[in-house]
Amino acid sequence: QQPVQSPQAVILREGEDAVINCSSSKALYSVHWYRQKHGEAPVFLMILLKGGEQKGHDKISASFNEKKQQSSLYLTASQLSYSGTYFCGTDPTGNQFYFGTGTSLTVIP
Amino acid sequence: DAEITQSPRHKITETGRQVTLACHQTWNHNNMFWYRQDLGHGLRLIHYSYGVQDTNKGEVSDGYSVSRSNTEDLPLTLESAASSQTSVYFCASSAQSAGELFFGEGSRLTVL
Repeated sequence: QQPVQSPQAVILREGEDAVINCSSSKALYSVHWYRQKHGEAPVFLMILLKGGEQKGHDKISASFNEKKQQSSLYLTASQLSYSGTYFCGTDPTGNQFYFGTGTSLTVIP
Repeated sequence: DAEITQSPRHKITETGRQVTLACHQTWNHNNMFWYRQDLGHGLRLIHYSYGVQDTNKGEVSDGYSVSRSNTEDLPLTLESAASSQTSVYFCASSAQSAGELFFGEGSRLTVL
């Protein structure tokens, strides 16, 4: 049930862009994205719903290809505060959330 | 402010002992979830509940149980703790189908 994320880790300089991918073997009702800082709980970034609706962060964008069961998170002009582990959560039924193994993002000055 | 709290935050126990991790939310959310987080595995769903008296197994439910007697609480019980259950456990809740998950601060469990 776990979606697959790529890359596993990425290092960026401030101002650079990054893309994190998430794919599932199951049809999806929605995709969630969360960021987790070391030692803290995951924090919500974005939800992408079947049909195209998006809710979430105003500085981070994402796409959701329902047919391919894939989502991508786009981080543009990265800031030091973007560092953390990013998780996609896939929801095949409308109320179950299975998370990927995470993508570690490090932004350096 | 509404919140979701977990207790204890840290626990050390011995193999074979019963352990209960508490999760309490004050948002009146119907949906509650338990995850465990291990290096290399991300967050894995243990059990979830859509409301009072409703419980469901997730992908790694063996050795764990939950009960939902009211809206606010979803305690997670390890009937006979094993070293493989050493992990960080997160409780989460959401208000509605496909809604944002709110996570507790986590409970770190060590089974010796």
